[in-house]
Amino acid sequence: DGGITQSPKYLFRKEGQNVTLSCEQNLNHDAMYWYRQDPGQGLRLIYYSQIVNDFQKGDIAEGYSVSREKKESFPLTVTSAQKNPTAFYLCASRGHHKNTGELFFGEGSRLTVL
Amino acid sequence: GEDVEQSLFLSVREGDSSVINCTYTDSSSTYLYWYKQEPGAGLQLLTYIFSNMDMKQDQRLTVLLNKKDKHLSLRIADTQTGDSAIYFCADFGGSQGNLIFGKGTKLSVKP
Repeated sequence: DGGITQSPKYLFRKEGQNVTLSCEQNLNHDAMYWYRQDPGQGLRLIYYSQIVNDFQKGDIAEGYSVSREKKESFPLTVTSAQKNPTAFYLCASRGHHKNTGELFFGEGSRLTVL
Repeated sequence: GEDVEQSLFLSVREGDSSVINCTYTDSSSTYLYWYKQEPGAGLQLLTYIFSNMDMKQDQRLTVLLNKKDKHLSLRIADTQTGDSAIYFCADFGGSQGNLIFGKGTKLSVKP
C-alpha cells in the first residue's frame, strides 16, 4: 500500500544532542513537508521541498535542517540549537497528478528532550 | 500573511449534530479542507471543497462555504463517540502554494 512512513514513533534525546527523524513516501509525490505540532498551537511549517535537491524554510526553521537527496525521502534533523525541541513532528507529501492540493500525512514522531 | 482561525474546543452529546467553524483571510483560496486527527496519530483528510462551491455533502458530513464572509463550517450529523478528535481547517492558496492550517478544534462527544 502507498503511504508515508515516519520513524521512530517515539524518541528521547538528551539536551545538546542532534537527532534525525526519518520520513519516507512511496506515493511518487514531488513535494514533502515537515510540521511541528504543540498543544494549542496547531501545525507550524518547519521546512518543505517541492523537488529533489531543493528545499525552503518554513515559518519556524531555526534549529532544524533537512535534505532531499531522493524523491522518496525527506529526513529532518533537530539540532542542539533548537531551544525547545520537545514536540510532535509530522511529515506530509503532496502530488501534482491530482489538482486538489491535499496533503497526505505520516503517523508522526514524538520527540522528548530529557 | 494568510491566517485561518477556529475555536479550540467543542463539546456535544452523542447523537447531536456538531458544527465546527473556521474563518480564513486568503481571498485567492482555491480549495479548503477539513482534516481529522485522532490522539497520537497523523492527520487524515475528511473532505474538501472547491472555492466555487457553496456546499458539499458526504454521508454524515456537510461542508458549507460562504466565500463572501470567508467562513467555512463542518457539520457532523448524528455525532458518535468515535468522532472525538481534533479537526483542522486548512486553506490552499497561500503565496507559496502551501496549506495554511488553523489551530484545530478539539471535539469531545459525551455519551
